[in-house]
Amino acid sequence: QVQLQESGPGLVKPSETLSLTCAVSGYSIRSGYYWGWIRRPPGKGLEWISIISHDVKTYFNPSLKSRVTTSVDTSKNQFSLRLSSVTAADTATYYCARHVGVYDHLDYWGPGILVTVSS
Amino acid sequence: QSVLTQPPSVSAAPGQKVTISCSGSSSNIGNKYVSWYQQLPGTAPKLLIYENNKRPSGIPDRFSGSKSGTSATLGITGLQTGDEADYYCETWDSRLSAAVFGGGTRLTVL
Repeated sequence: QVQLQESGPGLVKPSETLSLTCAVSGYSIRSGYYWGWIRRPPGKGLEWISIISHDVKTYFNPSLKSRVTTSVDTSKNQFSLRLSSVTAADTATYYCARHVGVYDHLDYWGPGILVTVSS
Repeated sequence: QSVLTQPPSVSAAPGQKVTISCSGSSSNIGNKYVSWYQQLPGTAPKLLIYENNKRPSGIPDRFSGSKSGTSATLGITGLQTGDEADYYCETWDSRLSAAVFGGGTRLTVL
């Protein structure tokens, strides 16, 4: 069974960089699919952030693209998100998920990690 | 402001049926598959419908999806109190080259 688990700091200071990792088990990233990040700010809806393939093809939310970096480590079967110059507006629960193809659905999700931006 | 438009809330009594609409454009729903997700309080989103009208294994047939032109609809029959959740539509937008979610619809089972 495919499982995803987010990890990283729960508190980040304004203007710093948020860094999260998603560990995948039950499926080898090297085998295919895309791997994505989605967030949900408190009191708001879901916002798609980015996806990356095992061979490092990437797509980004245009509104976040200038601040987002994503990478994949097939040796550790994990992928990562970095969001720079964070503000309070980046406070959210961040989810990682498996994207079945670029244009298709997200079938497996991690439980999510709450990241608060505050000094 | 979401690219996909959903009603903020819907409500119905237990046992009744409800529909949730998702309106988009030719650059997204008009030529791409639509998916639907259920997010129960305090949990991660769960895939309910994919490729417009297909249900993953384990999703009861009380949940259904359809698409017509630039709009999609999620239907839920035989409402249960356990269906109270936020529901989101999602698709790919070819103009943005990005996936997009609807703003979400909160379902209340009265």
